[in-house]
Amino acid sequence: EVLLVESGGGLIQPGGSLRLSCATSGFTFTNYEMNWVRQAPGKGLEWVSYISTLGNTVYYADSVKGRFTISRDNAKNSLYLQMDSLRAEDTAVYFCARFAQRLSALDNWGQGTLVTVS
Amino acid sequence: DIQMTQSPSSLSASVGDRVTITCRASQSIRSYLNWYQQKPGKAPKLLIYGASSLHSGVPSRFSGSGSGTDFTLTISSLQPEDFARYFCQQGYTTEKTFGPGTKVEIK
Repeated sequence: EVLLVESGGGLIQPGGSLRLSCATSGFTFTNYEMNWVRQAPGKGLEWVSYISTLGNTVYYADSVKGRFTISRDNAKNSLYLQMDSLRAEDTAVYFCARFAQRLSALDNWGQGTLVTVS
Repeated sequence: DIQMTQSPSSLSASVGDRVTITCRASQSIRSYLNWYQQKPGKAPKLLIYGASSLHSGVPSRFSGSGSGTDFTLTISSLQPEDFARYFCQQGYTTEKTFGPGTKVEIK
């Protein structure tokens, strides 16, 4: 069974930092590109960041560029999101999601972790 | 950046109804269009990829069509478990933009 489990969310003051983790199992992590997607309370989905299988290519939404850093540890089957200079508008549930290249779609998602900036 | 729009933003329907949701991209995305279903407090689930391909385990009452800029998600006979929010997403660029969502509610 494919599992993605996020952790690291919580309440943080504006300007603070937080590091989210996504532990994965049930699939060969090194074969998959990964993404972070967030959802502000009562709002829609916003793609946040992408990382290639080897971690050498990353992309960010304009809204987080320069403040967030995506990374991965293939030896630990884990994905990370370092969030710095947090703002109130970063308040959201953050999901990690597996990208299936063959489908060009996010085919498995974690349950999400809530980040509240206040 | 590619912008995605959806209509309607919400709809009310009864069990057994045929429901259609549309999604439009600001430029051609060929067939790189995906549909997701999300229930309250849960993660999104992939329903349709490549505009018209049914993801594994998804009931056949769901179908998708379209290419270029205009796409449609159809539920042929709405079931109680289908009341949820539906999002389209373009998979054409690395910045995988989502539509704003369509909430399907019980009439």
